[in-house]
Amino acid sequence: EVQLVESGGGLVKPGGSLRLSCAASGFTFSAYNMNWVRQAPGKGLEWVSSISSSSSYIYYADSVKGRFTISRDNAKNSLYLQMNSLRAEDTAVYYCARARDTTMALFAYWGQGTLVTVSS
Amino acid sequence: QSVLTQPPSVSAAPGQKVTISCSGSSSNIGNNYVSWYQQFPGTAPKLLIYANNKRPSGIPDRFSGSQSGTSATLGITGLQTGDEAEYYCGTWDSSLSVAVFGGGTKLT
Repeated sequence: EVQLVESGGGLVKPGGSLRLSCAASGFTFSAYNMNWVRQAPGKGLEWVSSISSSSSYIYYADSVKGRFTISRDNAKNSLYLQMNSLRAEDTAVYYCARARDTTMALFAYWGQGTLVTVSS
Repeated sequence: QSVLTQPPSVSAAPGQKVTISCSGSSSNIGNNYVSWYQQFPGTAPKLLIYANNKRPSGIPDRFSGSQSGTSATLGITGLQTGDEAEYYCGTWDSSLSVAVFGGGTKLT
């Protein structure tokens, strides 16, 4: 069974940093592209970033480019999101999502999410 | 402002059929597969339709998808009260090299 478990969320002040983690199990992690998708309170889904299986290709939403860094450790079956220079508008539930295949923007499995709150 | 446009809400009676539209452009829906997601309050989204019209295992055939030009449509037949949820379309935008979602449609 595919399992994705996010951690690392919490309350942080504007301008601060946070590192999210996603522990994957139940599948061959190194074979799949991985993604971060967020959802602000009461709002819709917003894609944040994607990373290919071997980290060769990385993409970011304009809203986080230059501030967030996605990475993965295939040996540890883990996905990460380093978030710097956080803003109030980054407040959201952050989901880790696995691709179904090589199709871009196809999120087949989702974690339960971790809440990031940016507030003074 | 979402790149993909969905109606904010749709409604229908139990047993009826409903469709949810998703409008985009040639750089996204026009040239990439569309997927649809169902989300209940307080829970993670769930993949409902992928590659425009394919259903993952476990998704009943009451749910269907189609794509034509720069628009896609999710159809749900035999509506059940348990289908009441938020529905999102999503795809890749080849020009922007970003994933894009619609703003979501609340089904009542």
